[in-house]
Formats: sequence, C-alpha cells, structure tokens
Amino acid sequence: GQQLNQSPQSMFIQEGEDVSMNCTSSSIFNTWLWYKQEPGEGPVLLIALYKAGELTSNGRLTAQFGITRKDSFLNISASIPSDVGIYFCAGDNYGQNFVFGPGTRLSVLP
Amino acid sequence: GAVVSQHPSWVICKSGTSVKIECRSLDFQATTMFWYRQFPKQSLMLMATSNEGSKATYEQGVEKDKFLINHASLTLSTLTVTSAHPEDSSFYICSAKSVDRADEQYFGPGTRLTVT
Repeated sequence: GQQLNQSPQSMFIQEGEDVSMNCTSSSIFNTWLWYKQEPGEGPVLLIALYKAGELTSNGRLTAQFGITRKDSFLNISASIPSDVGIYFCAGDNYGQNFVFGPGTRLSVLP
Repeated sequence: GAVVSQHPSWVICKSGTSVKIECRSLDFQATTMFWYRQFPKQSLMLMATSNEGSKATYEQGVEKDKFLINHASLTLSTLTVTSAHPEDSSFYICSAKSVDRADEQYFGPGTRLTVT
C-alpha cells in the first residue's frame, strides 16, 4: 500500500530556531494533513492542505502542498519549548485512503 | 469544532477480562471512525475502520474476534478488547471523519490500556 516517509526522524533544536521537516510519498495525494502529538495524548490537526502548491499558515506554523502532490513540508518559526512533540504528516484521497507517516520527533532545548 | 472524546482515558485490567473503550464525536456526525493502537515511540497503527450501521473492516493481522468494534450511531463507536492479555497493553486512539469533511480525520485523546 501507499507509504509516507518523514524526515528527519528526530531533531534537537535550540529555542528560537526555525524548524523544517518534510513528508514524501511515492504516489500522489489530494489532501495533506499535519498533526502534532504530545505524550499521552491523541494527535491534533495543525494544518490541512487541499491544492497542489498551496501554502497555509497557522500562527508560527507554515505548511506547503508540493506541486507534484507527492510531498509536503512543515516549517515552525521561532520555536518554543511547547513545540516539543511528534509531528505526523498524513495523506488522503477524497476520504478513501488515509495514510499516516512515521512521525518526526521534535525536542526543543532551552 | 470537531472534538472527539474517548472514555476511559486509562484503564488497568486483569488478564482474561474484557475492556470496552468508547469513542464519541461531540460536535459533529461521523459516518466513519477509525481505531488505532500505538506502541511507545512508534507511529499509529490502524487496526480497523468502522462505518455506522455496518461491520467494521479490520486490517491484516488484527483479530476481529479479539477486538470487537461496534458503531451503533453517527457519534459513537466502541472497541472491546476481549480476554485481554499483557501484550494487548497499548495506547488506543480513535479518530472520526465528519460527514462534511471526509478528507480530514480528528483524533481522540487516546486510552492507555494496561493488562496485568
């Protein structure tokens, strides 16, 4: 079946730094979603992207839907300690095929 | 909007007993709900897809007689872990799709099951 790859698998950054992570697939998706999961909680939807090339922001978060429809990236600007967590990407095709990525674990050092 | 709740948030049970976990969409109707399990430091693993009023579809390797799923209404799905064993200890998370927004899934807060 379809699989997603996320990179990096984990990252340690200093507070205040910008963060960039991406998600790639061997096949296309019509919707890209980014979630954040904190320890002991379920994933929370951060950003949803619906069109190739779309760039969407949510506060300090910015995500883009790749032109090829096979990738997406998420940027976090000026990281803060509460940004710590696992960031998952997910792809979907009109509600018929939802695929979850393996996650990028983010640690923010004060 | 798009809030999903789970109950209980954590449960400890003895080996051989059954445990029921509820998943509710609080402010929207969900024709489809999903059940995942997650082991420490790993991604979510889809167990089954639950459609309101019909039988659940289980992923390969997931025993349908062990993990009973019932989706009785547009706002409630339940997962029952029957004859639980220590290896069933995990974090179980449900998600729901809104009838209005089929390409987004909203996740519950999860249920931590510990089988002793």
